[in-house]
Amino acid sequence: SQQGEEDPQALSIQEGENATMNCSYKTSINNLQWYRQNSGRGLVHLILIRSNEREKHSGRLRVTLDTSKKSSSLLITASRAADTASYFCATDASNFGNEKLTFGTGTRLTIIP
Amino acid sequence: EAGVTQFPSHSVIEKGQTVTLRCDPISGHDNLYWYRRVMGKEIKFLLHFVKESKQDESGMPNNRFLAERTGGTYSTLKVQPAELEDSGVYFCASSQDPARSYEQYFGPGTRLTVT
Repeated sequence: SQQGEEDPQALSIQEGENATMNCSYKTSINNLQWYRQNSGRGLVHLILIRSNEREKHSGRLRVTLDTSKKSSSLLITASRAADTASYFCATDASNFGNEKLTFGTGTRLTIIP
Repeated sequence: EAGVTQFPSHSVIEKGQTVTLRCDPISGHDNLYWYRRVMGKEIKFLLHFVKESKQDESGMPNNRFLAERTGGTYSTLKVQPAELEDSGVYFCASSQDPARSYEQYFGPGTRLTVT
């Protein structure tokens, strides 16, 4: 598997349900960031979690990080049609942060109205 | 505050031609990055500027790619001569000093099609 690999590759759920996406990585990291990409558009930054953090919340988003398992999860609660997009995790493996990000392959999320 | 902007949004050129992509980072962001996504694969890092200096260019695929950031503001990425495998979406991102924030903010991308 590659650094920053998400699963599932595709996920379809009913509006109002919760969506969970997972990300695994190989090396030690400084931080992990989640991004959303709507079809044909740019990447929107969702949330950043540092290596010394275990959980972080932002609105309907909840991110967890388990550095012992080298994995992270993104939970979107009470999903909406507008959440339909591709979601990517990206890791920064530098010592001090703010260096290159390594992206996963992404999860394509479809919310069914 | 304006976000990261990129120009053009889409470029179609023939193999062997030259194309120059431009990125304007968020004002005050010293860090500027180029990434690209080729043929539905992962988004891959190309290079990283800190102000006008190249901090890391380990992701540049070959010497047909030249990136510049004169004056430490906007950046250009030139592909000369373009090859078919260069087709993809080129993203630019910027970030603040790491002492303040690690988040990288991305532009909308430039879709390059080489025919």
